[in-house]
Formats: sequence, C-alpha cells, structure tokens
Amino acid sequence: KAGVTQTPRYLIKTRGQQVTLSCSPISGHRSVSWYQQTPGQGLQFLFEYFSETQRNKGNFPGRFSGRQFSNSRSEMNVSTLELGDSALYLCASTYQETQYFGPGTRLLVL
Amino acid sequence: GQQLNQSPQSMFIQEGEDVSMNCTSSSIFNTWLWYKQDPGEGPVLLIALYKAGELTSNGRLTAQFGITRKDSFLNISASIPSDVGIYFCAGRLPGGSQGNLIFGKGTKLSVKP
Repeated sequence: KAGVTQTPRYLIKTRGQQVTLSCSPISGHRSVSWYQQTPGQGLQFLFEYFSETQRNKGNFPGRFSGRQFSNSRSEMNVSTLELGDSALYLCASTYQETQYFGPGTRLLVL
Repeated sequence: GQQLNQSPQSMFIQEGEDVSMNCTSSSIFNTWLWYKQDPGEGPVLLIALYKAGELTSNGRLTAQFGITRKDSFLNISASIPSDVGIYFCAGRLPGGSQGNLIFGKGTKLSVKP
C-alpha cells in the first residue's frame, strides 16, 4: 500500500497570507490527524478527523482549521499567517491504534 | 497539557554499542509508540505497545510498556551508523481518540566523533 502523502512538500509564504496543505491517508484509513513540529515545542497535536467530522482538537488558535472529504483526504488551512507558524506540518493516518506519518510540509513564513 | 519526559535529550553512539532511552509520565497511557525521524522526513513507526508489561522486538530494537503504564523504554542493540536520527516516544491517554498522540521531545542519536 502507498504511504501517507502530503502536498506540497515545501512552501514559502509571507505574513498575513493564508495557506492550504493537503494530505492523503493510507488507503482504507479513515482517521487523519495533523501535527505541528517546531524545534522549540516539538510535535503538537492540531486536530483529528474521522469520517469527515472533527473528532478532536488541540490547543491552537482558530486561524488553524481543517476538513476531511468523503474519500478520507484531508486539508488544513492556516489563515493570517504569522512568523511563528513556520514549522513542519505532519499528517498521520491511524488504523487500529497505530499512527503512520507522511513526510510533512515544510512551511516558512517570511 | 500532558507531558512526556523523554531522556536522554541527546547521546553519542559508537558503532556496536547498545543504546537505551526512556519516556516517563505522571499520567497513565493506554498505548506507547516509538518513532524514528530522519532530517526532512516524517516520523517512521518502529514499535507499538498496547498493554502493560508488553515487551516487543523489531530486529535490533526492543521496547517495553511499563507495568505502571506511566513509562516505556527503547533499547537498540549493536548500533550501526544508520541508527543516527531522532527517536520519539508517543502515548495515547485513556479515553483519548485514536488519532491524538502526545509526544516526547525526542532523543537525538549522533555518531561519536
């Protein structure tokens, strides 16, 4: 089976812009989670989607949002970008309590 | 929020040495997972543990789910250069959804100069 895929792999934006990141889970996996990874804070949970519904949400501002489509593909959106949003954004799909990660999208906000 | 204390933060290895790292928490976890992350890539699952006391091996790697459910360790035997990277522990709290993991800060393995 193909692994979790994320697009784009790299992105450069400026403050105030918005960005949309995409994730395709492993075929058959219905749960998709998003994490933000930074050197200072490590891996922090953003949100989880299951069957097109947000099942859980981390402690991030409302500028961070997501959605899931009927084919389980997911997108996350960050509006009004801030410098501190520069990070590696990781998507993971979960099956039977085991989580598998994609390669991530490296976002740089200038 | 919940924290996982992972130690050591970093360590240097010489080829052939055994390596040990661990994670502890003040909370009970239902699942422990160990991942390795190479630069520019996402974490790759190494070992998953689902019940207290469970001891699982994956090649030269061995991990255990602590009896108290508040800790886990990972051992790497006879290390090789490709073991270099960052290792993360992750846990799932009781009642937590499947997709919500709490991560340690990582243990960075480097080769001894």
